[in-house]
Amino acid sequence: KAGVTQTPRYLIKTRGQQVTLSCSPISGHRSVSWYQQTPGQGLQFLFEYFSETQRNKGNFPGRFSGRQFSNSRSEMNVSTLELGDSALYLCASSAKTGFSSGANVLTFGAGSRLTVL
Amino acid sequence: GQQVMQIPQYQHVQEGEDFTTYCNSSTTLSNIQWYKQRPGGHPVFLIQLVKSGEVKKQKRLTFQFGEAKKNSSLHITATQTTDVGTYFCAVGGYNKLIFGAGTRLAVHP
Repeated sequence: KAGVTQTPRYLIKTRGQQVTLSCSPISGHRSVSWYQQTPGQGLQFLFEYFSETQRNKGNFPGRFSGRQFSNSRSEMNVSTLELGDSALYLCASSAKTGFSSGANVLTFGAGSRLTVL
Repeated sequence: GQQVMQIPQYQHVQEGEDFTTYCNSSTTLSNIQWYKQRPGGHPVFLIQLVKSGEVKKQKRLTFQFGEAKKNSSLHITATQTTDVGTYFCAVGGYNKLIFGAGTRLAVHP
């Protein structure tokens, strides 16, 4: 079964521009989470979507937004890019969510590496 | 919010030596997960621990969850060059996981 697919894999933008990243979860997975990974801050939670609803959001400014479509595919958008937004953006999907054993196990995509100049 | 401290940040070993990374929380955890990220790669799920005092093994990897469910460890016996990468613990649960800072393991042949 296909894994989590993220596009584009690499992109370069300049300050002030905006960017949209795409994520296709594993077939049947309805939860999609986004993480930002940088050398300084590590893996930081951005937001999580389930059935087209954002259920949780991390501590990021409003420039970071996302959405999920009815087919569970998700996009995240960063507007007015800053140099500090350079990072690896990881999408992860999950089959089960909640508090039971095995819940919230994440399968990550390869990531989209964003460089802001 | 929930946080987890992971130590050490970096460990350099000779091939064949053992390696251990630790995660500690100030609050009781419902479960803890471990992930591995190879250089240039993405995190890959290793295991989830749920029960107090739980110990699970995967070949040379041994995972433990503390009796108080506030700490966990990952121990690798006789490291190999294929063990190189960063090991993360992750806590949280319902639709949000918080990752530790990770322990980067370097293995020299």
